[in-house]
Amino acid sequence: DAKTTQPNSMESNEEEPVHLPCNHSTISGTDYIHWYRQLPSQGPEYVIHGLTSNVNNRMASLAIAEDRKSSTLILHRATLRDAAVYYCILRIVGGTSYGKLTFGQGTILTVHP
Amino acid sequence: SAVISQKPSRDICQRGTSLTIQCQVDSQVTMMFWYRQQPGQSLTLIATANQGSEATYESGFVIDKFPISRPNLTFSTLTVSNMSPEDSSIYLCSALSGTSYEQYFGPGTRLTVT
Repeated sequence: DAKTTQPNSMESNEEEPVHLPCNHSTISGTDYIHWYRQLPSQGPEYVIHGLTSNVNNRMASLAIAEDRKSSTLILHRATLRDAAVYYCILRIVGGTSYGKLTFGQGTILTVHP
Repeated sequence: SAVISQKPSRDICQRGTSLTIQCQVDSQVTMMFWYRQQPGQSLTLIATANQGSEATYESGFVIDKFPISRPNLTFSTLTVSNMSPEDSSIYLCSALSGTSYEQYFGPGTRLTVT
């Protein structure tokens, strides 16, 4: 499976932007980049996903490098509720198959008041 | 969106027994998955639960140990058989709606084997 590399942990202050990096140098042309986060004692929740172009939604933005070998999840104004483990995942699609999500170790985000 | 509930939320079981975990989704979904998350670790995919056919297991997981049922488009069960302390973990159900690439997760079942 294609692998992602993320920093083990990052810290931020409340109300400041956060940029969470992810390297995926072995990504294939049809692999989607997904981001999920897991708040303490909860199941993961979807944040955002993209293929080639940058993406925005109500939770975050996803910036994808031109060569697709890296991406950055951007939280525009961190809140205490954003403290979580953030997972960058490649969804490997085969034919008409949805593929599957293979979780790595993720980045533990700490947000300081 | 889809809301997923799991039963039980937690359990403490004796070595050698089996536990069946139920997963209920509030809408019909195309795919359902079972994951395991050991303390302080990331999630590991156990299997994809296929409706009307046998589950597809990932490397390292076998049907005899983790039998899975999926009788319809909203429900699945995972059984952890002949449990040992190494099976102590959180087991999470997940589902994918055919109209979205967003995968939803249940709250998990925390299993402790003594």
